[in-house]
Amino acid sequence: GQSLEQPSEVTAVEGAIVQINCTYQTSGFYGLSWYQQHDGGAPTFLSYNALDGLEETGRFSSFLSRSDSYGYLLLQELQMKDSASYFCAVKWEGSQGNLIFGKGTKLSVKP
Amino acid sequence: ETGVTQTPRHLVMGMTNKKSLKCEQHLGHNAMYWYKQSAKKPLELMFVYSLEERVENNSVPSRFSPECPNSSHLFLHLHTLQPEDSALYLCASSPSFGTASNQPQHFGDGTRLSIL
Repeated sequence: GQSLEQPSEVTAVEGAIVQINCTYQTSGFYGLSWYQQHDGGAPTFLSYNALDGLEETGRFSSFLSRSDSYGYLLLQELQMKDSASYFCAVKWEGSQGNLIFGKGTKLSVKP
Repeated sequence: ETGVTQTPRHLVMGMTNKKSLKCEQHLGHNAMYWYKQSAKKPLELMFVYSLEERVENNSVPSRFSPECPNSSHLFLHLHTLQPEDSALYLCASSPSFGTASNQPQHFGDGTRLSIL
């Protein structure tokens, strides 16, 4: 089987830095993805990590440690528009390449 | 614009009705997906089509019936639904299906389904 754990809610202020963690338990892990979903909107792809280390894309970075079965999404210089739900998702050999999603972390950015 | 369009955006139906959800992708992708999103639960994969062939059926009740007439269109036919089927139904597409390193999925805005 497989499981993903991420916090249900995170609150931060504008301009701050926030880290959303994701731990997973799967066999035959392939990679970790992050998606953003605003209320009433479509999930949108943010990043994918297959190898250990940090991937940076603008204000957002994603990190993976395969040995620790752990990753995180780092959001810098938070803006009000970053208020959304963030989902981690794993690909593993048992899923035939499909994505298995976590329950999501609702991020609220305050002024 | 994600390149994936779902209609209708909202649907209210009785348990005895028959309706269909439609998804169209303009990205030239070869794989399409149906997901169910309920409050406080992870996205649940329902069906996967690759090159118009169904490759995944995650023990979905038979009251949900998918159809993929071509690589750009995907339907979800609904009949005799239950109140617990009320949820957001999301369609997604990706360049291909499988374990290739990075196959980001592009989602539509979903159909909010309410069963009376």
